[in-house]
Amino acid sequence: KAGVTQTPRYLIKTRGQQVTLSCSPISGHRSVSWYQQTPGQGLQFLFEYFSETQRNKGNFPGRFSGRQFSNSRSEMNVSTLELGDSALYLCASSIGQSNEQFFGPGTRLTVL
Amino acid sequence: AQKITQTQPGMFVQEKEAVTLDCTYDTSDPSYGLFWYKQPSSGEMIFLIYQGSYDQQNATEGRYSLNFQKARKSANLVISASQLGDSAMYFCAMRVDTGANSKLTFGKGITLSVRP
Repeated sequence: KAGVTQTPRYLIKTRGQQVTLSCSPISGHRSVSWYQQTPGQGLQFLFEYFSETQRNKGNFPGRFSGRQFSNSRSEMNVSTLELGDSALYLCASSIGQSNEQFFGPGTRLTVL
Repeated sequence: AQKITQTQPGMFVQEKEAVTLDCTYDTSDPSYGLFWYKQPSSGEMIFLIYQGSYDQQNATEGRYSLNFQKARKSANLVISASQLGDSAMYFCAMRVDTGANSKLTFGKGITLSVRP
């Protein structure tokens, strides 16, 4: 079974731009969660989607948004990028909302 | 609120020896799950082991075992017979089972270096 895939793997943007990251969960997994990882703040929860509905949200500004499609694929969008948004963005999928989460390789975003 | 604490500085272990990575947690919820993940330099988070708060026995997965002490709120990871490929960051995480909730709260992580 293929694992969680994330595209792109690396991304360089400039301040003020917007970016869209994509995550394809493991086949059969309906829950997708997003996390931001930075050296200073560690791993922080962004949001979680289940059956196309956002079920949980972390403490991030409204510039961070996401959605989930009917095939469980998910996208997250960051608008008006700031230097502090430079991070590794990890997506994780699980069968349901209370099962082990399996992570993708991440998208490393650099904001210049 | 949930909190995971990993305070060990970088850990070093000789190849083939065992090592314990510490994790303490704090939650007032009676139902929760504890996870350990490994993150090599490539960045991917690899799921290692899971312990439920009501599990009577400590979880084991191959060379990984979880020393779960509920009263002390600790969930230490024990890696037996360390291998060079075990060198990575290790994260302890917790999920509280309040209805539909997949949010994982992570600790800061511990760097493990295995020496040949």
